[in-house]
Amino acid sequence: SQELEQSPQSLIVQEGKNLTINCTSSKTLYGLYWYKQKYGEGLIFLMMLQKGGEEKSHEKITAKLDEKKQQSSLHITASQPSHAGIYLCGAGRRTNKLIFGTGTLLAVQP
Amino acid sequence: NAGVTQTPKFRILKIGQSMTLQCTQDMNHNYMYWYRQDPGMGLKLIYYSVGAGITDKGEVPNGYNVSRSTTEDFPLRLELAAPSQTSVYFCASSYSGGSGNEQFFGPGTRLTVL
Repeated sequence: SQELEQSPQSLIVQEGKNLTINCTSSKTLYGLYWYKQKYGEGLIFLMMLQKGGEEKSHEKITAKLDEKKQQSSLHITASQPSHAGIYLCGAGRRTNKLIFGTGTLLAVQP
Repeated sequence: NAGVTQTPKFRILKIGQSMTLQCTQDMNHNYMYWYRQDPGMGLKLIYYSVGAGITDKGEVPNGYNVSRSTTEDFPLRLELAAPSQTSVYFCASSYSGGSGNEQFFGPGTRLTVL
Protein backbone atom coordinates (compact mmCIF):
# COMPACT_ATOMS: atom_id res chain seq x y z
CA SER A 1 0.00 0.00 0.00
CA GLN A 2 1.04 3.55 -0.64
CA GLU A 3 2.37 5.71 2.17
CA LEU A 4 0.49 8.61 0.63
CA GLU A 5 -2.95 8.05 -0.80
CA GLN A 6 -4.61 10.66 -2.96
CA SER A 7 -8.28 10.84 -3.79
CA PRO A 8 -9.87 10.97 -6.18
CA GLN A 9 -7.52 9.44 -8.74
CA SER A 10 -9.12 11.50 -11.47
CA LEU A 11 -11.66 14.27 -11.62
CA ILE A 12 -13.60 15.99 -14.38
CA VAL A 13 -15.33 19.23 -13.50
CA GLN A 14 -17.13 21.95 -15.39
CA GLU A 15 -15.39 25.29 -15.59
CA GLY A 16 -16.42 27.47 -12.67
CA LYS A 17 -17.03 24.59 -10.27
CA ASN A 18 -15.20 24.06 -7.01
CA LEU A 19 -13.27 20.89 -6.25
CA THR A 20 -11.24 19.26 -3.50
CA ILE A 21 -8.35 16.79 -3.68
CA ASN A 22 -7.30 14.87 -0.59
CA CYS A 23 -3.99 13.43 0.49
CA THR A 24 -3.74 11.00 3.42
CA SER A 25 -0.52 9.75 4.97
CA SER A 26 -0.04 6.42 6.76
CA LYS A 27 2.87 7.90 8.71
CA THR A 28 3.61 11.06 10.60
CA LEU A 29 3.86 14.08 8.38
CA TYR A 30 6.93 16.29 8.59
CA GLY A 31 5.74 18.80 6.08
CA LEU A 32 3.36 18.39 3.17
CA TYR A 33 3.97 19.70 -0.32
CA TRP A 34 1.62 20.20 -3.22
CA TYR A 35 2.89 20.15 -6.78
CA LYS A 36 1.18 20.49 -10.14
CA GLN A 37 2.30 18.76 -13.30
CA LYS A 38 1.19 19.40 -16.84
CA TYR A 39 1.48 16.57 -19.32
CA GLY A 40 5.04 16.18 -20.59
CA GLU A 41 6.43 18.74 -18.18
CA GLY A 42 8.14 18.79 -14.83
CA LEU A 43 6.56 19.55 -11.47
CA ILE A 44 5.64 23.03 -10.40
CA PHE A 45 5.69 23.80 -6.69
CA LEU A 46 2.38 25.10 -5.38
CA MET A 47 2.51 25.18 -1.61
CA MET A 48 4.18 23.76 1.45
CA LEU A 49 2.45 23.17 4.79
CA GLN A 50 4.31 22.38 7.97
CA LYS A 51 2.15 23.00 10.98
CA GLY A 52 -1.03 21.29 12.03
CA GLY A 53 -3.99 23.45 11.14
CA GLU A 54 -1.95 25.49 8.68
CA GLU A 55 -3.75 26.87 5.66
CA LYS A 56 -2.25 28.60 2.64
CA SER A 57 -3.77 30.15 -0.43
CA HIS A 58 -2.44 31.15 -3.79
CA GLU A 59 -4.84 32.72 -6.25
CA LYS A 60 -7.80 30.32 -6.29
CA ILE A 61 -6.03 27.36 -4.71
CA THR A 62 -6.16 26.72 -0.95
CA ALA A 63 -4.36 23.94 0.88
CA LYS A 64 -4.89 22.84 4.47
CA LEU A 65 -2.99 20.48 6.71
CA ASP A 66 -4.71 18.50 9.41
CA GLU A 67 -1.75 17.05 11.21
CA LYS A 68 -3.76 14.99 13.67
CA LYS A 69 -5.46 13.17 10.85
CA GLN A 70 -2.31 13.08 8.79
CA GLN A 71 -4.28 14.56 5.94
CA SER A 72 -4.12 17.51 3.63
CA SER A 73 -6.67 18.88 1.23
CA LEU A 74 -6.28 21.06 -1.84
CA HIS A 75 -9.30 23.12 -2.78
CA ILE A 76 -9.75 24.96 -6.07
CA THR A 77 -12.41 27.62 -6.25
CA ALA A 78 -14.11 28.49 -9.54
CA SER A 79 -11.98 26.13 -11.61
CA GLN A 80 -10.54 27.23 -14.95
CA PRO A 81 -9.05 25.25 -17.85
CA SER A 82 -5.62 26.46 -16.71
CA HIS A 83 -6.08 24.39 -13.53
CA ALA A 84 -6.07 21.15 -15.51
CA GLY A 85 -3.18 18.80 -14.86
CA ILE A 86 -1.92 16.27 -12.37
CA TYR A 87 -1.78 17.29 -8.73
CA LEU A 88 0.73 15.51 -6.53
CA CYS A 89 1.17 15.67 -2.80
CA GLY A 90 4.55 14.98 -1.28
CA ALA A 91 5.39 14.29 2.34
CA GLY A 92 8.66 15.03 4.03
CA ARG A 93 10.16 12.24 6.08
CA ARG A 94 12.85 12.28 8.75
CA THR A 95 15.19 10.51 6.35
CA ASN A 96 15.66 13.52 4.04
CA LYS A 97 13.36 11.95 1.47
CA LEU A 98 10.20 13.23 -0.07
CA ILE A 99 7.52 10.60 -0.66
CA PHE A 100 4.91 11.32 -3.32
CA GLY A 101 1.31 10.30 -3.64
CA THR A 102 -0.10 8.63 -6.74
CA GLY A 103 -1.46 11.86 -8.16
CA THR A 104 -4.87 13.21 -9.10
CA LEU A 105 -5.63 13.92 -12.74
CA LEU A 106 -7.85 16.98 -13.10
CA ALA A 107 -9.68 17.88 -16.28
CA VAL A 108 -11.71 21.10 -16.52
CA GLN A 109 -14.37 21.23 -19.21
CA PRO A 110 -15.05 24.67 -20.71
CA ASN B 1 19.45 30.86 -13.17
CA ALA B 2 18.58 27.93 -15.39
CA GLY B 3 17.40 25.92 -12.37
CA VAL B 4 17.47 22.15 -12.91
CA THR B 5 18.30 21.00 -16.42
CA GLN B 6 18.08 17.47 -17.78
CA THR B 7 19.35 15.89 -20.96
CA PRO B 8 18.24 14.25 -23.13
CA LYS B 9 14.52 15.04 -23.26
CA PHE B 10 13.68 11.83 -25.08
CA ARG B 11 15.50 8.57 -25.68
CA ILE B 12 14.73 5.15 -27.08
CA LEU B 13 16.98 2.29 -25.99
CA LYS B 14 17.19 -1.32 -27.00
CA ILE B 15 17.16 -3.98 -24.29
CA GLY B 16 20.63 -4.39 -22.82
CA GLN B 17 21.94 -1.00 -23.90
CA SER B 18 23.28 1.47 -21.40
CA MET B 19 22.96 5.21 -21.07
CA THR B 20 23.46 8.11 -18.70
CA LEU B 21 20.78 10.65 -17.90
CA GLN B 22 22.35 14.00 -17.13
CA CYS B 23 21.15 16.41 -14.44
CA THR B 24 22.65 19.78 -13.56
CA GLN B 25 21.52 22.48 -11.15
CA ASP B 26 22.92 25.97 -10.78
CA MET B 27 21.30 26.91 -7.47
CA ASN B 28 24.12 25.57 -5.29
CA HIS B 29 21.74 23.07 -3.73
CA ASN B 30 23.19 20.38 -1.52
CA TYR B 31 20.47 17.79 -2.08
CA MET B 32 19.69 16.18 -5.41
CA TYR B 33 17.23 13.43 -6.29
CA TRP B 34 16.27 11.11 -9.10
CA TYR B 35 12.66 9.99 -9.48
CA ARG B 36 10.84 7.88 -12.01
CA GLN B 37 7.20 8.34 -12.89
CA ASP B 38 5.34 5.48 -14.49
CA PRO B 39 2.03 6.02 -16.34
CA GLY B 40 -0.80 6.69 -13.93
CA MET B 41 1.52 6.56 -10.95
CA GLY B 42 3.17 9.01 -8.64
CA LEU B 43 6.89 9.53 -8.38
CA LYS B 44 9.21 6.90 -6.97
CA LEU B 45 12.58 7.90 -5.54
CA ILE B 46 15.48 6.06 -7.19
CA TYR B 47 18.55 7.62 -5.58
CA TYR B 48 19.37 10.79 -3.77
CA SER B 49 22.45 12.69 -2.68
CA VAL B 50 22.98 14.99 0.29
CA GLY B 51 26.19 16.47 -1.07
CA ALA B 52 29.15 15.88 -3.33
CA GLY B 53 30.55 12.41 -2.82
CA ILE B 54 27.51 11.13 -0.88
CA THR B 55 24.70 9.10 -2.42
CA ASP B 56 22.03 6.81 -1.03
CA LYS B 57 19.33 4.48 -2.31
CA GLY B 58 15.71 5.44 -2.56
CA GLU B 59 12.66 3.21 -3.01
CA VAL B 60 13.53 1.69 -6.40
CA PRO B 61 17.34 1.69 -6.91
CA ASN B 62 17.74 -1.65 -8.69
CA GLY B 63 19.11 -1.34 -12.22
CA TYR B 64 20.49 2.15 -11.66
CA ASN B 65 23.67 3.79 -10.45
CA VAL B 66 24.53 7.35 -9.56
CA SER B 67 27.55 9.46 -8.75
CA ARG B 68 27.96 12.95 -7.33
CA SER B 69 31.43 14.26 -8.01
CA THR B 70 30.37 17.92 -7.97
CA THR B 71 27.61 19.93 -6.28
CA GLU B 72 26.09 20.78 -9.65
CA ASP B 73 25.88 17.40 -11.38
CA PHE B 74 24.03 14.21 -10.49
CA PRO B 75 24.03 11.75 -13.41
CA LEU B 76 21.90 8.60 -13.41
CA ARG B 77 23.32 5.52 -15.12
CA LEU B 78 21.34 2.62 -16.60
CA GLU B 79 23.70 -0.26 -17.27
CA LEU B 80 21.49 -2.93 -18.88
CA ALA B 81 18.27 -1.34 -19.99
CA ALA B 82 15.11 -3.38 -19.50
CA PRO B 83 11.52 -2.70 -20.65
CA SER B 84 10.56 -2.21 -16.99
CA GLN B 85 12.72 0.91 -17.02
CA THR B 86 10.47 2.61 -19.56
CA SER B 87 9.39 5.68 -17.65
CA VAL B 88 9.75 9.42 -17.29
CA TYR B 89 12.73 10.36 -15.16
CA PHE B 90 12.83 13.54 -13.12
CA CYS B 91 15.79 15.08 -11.41
CA ALA B 92 15.21 17.47 -8.51
CA SER B 93 17.27 19.51 -6.09
CA SER B 94 16.75 21.27 -2.78
CA TYR B 95 18.86 23.37 -0.47
CA SER B 96 18.50 20.77 2.27
CA GLY B 97 16.40 17.69 2.76
CA GLY B 98 13.22 16.54 4.40
CA SER B 99 10.49 18.84 5.50
CA GLY B 100 10.63 22.57 5.07
CA ASN B 101 12.56 22.54 1.84
CA GLU B 102 11.01 22.89 -1.57
CA GLN B 103 12.31 20.57 -4.25
CA PHE B 104 12.89 22.09 -7.67
CA PHE B 105 12.30 19.76 -10.59
CA GLY B 106 13.79 19.45 -14.04
CA PRO B 107 11.58 19.00 -17.14
CA GLY B 108 12.11 15.24 -17.25
CA THR B 109 13.59 12.65 -19.59
CA ARG B 110 11.16 10.33 -21.36
CA LEU B 111 12.81 6.94 -21.81
CA THR B 112 11.47 4.01 -23.80
CA VAL B 113 13.17 0.62 -23.74
CA LEU B 114 12.20 -1.71 -26.59
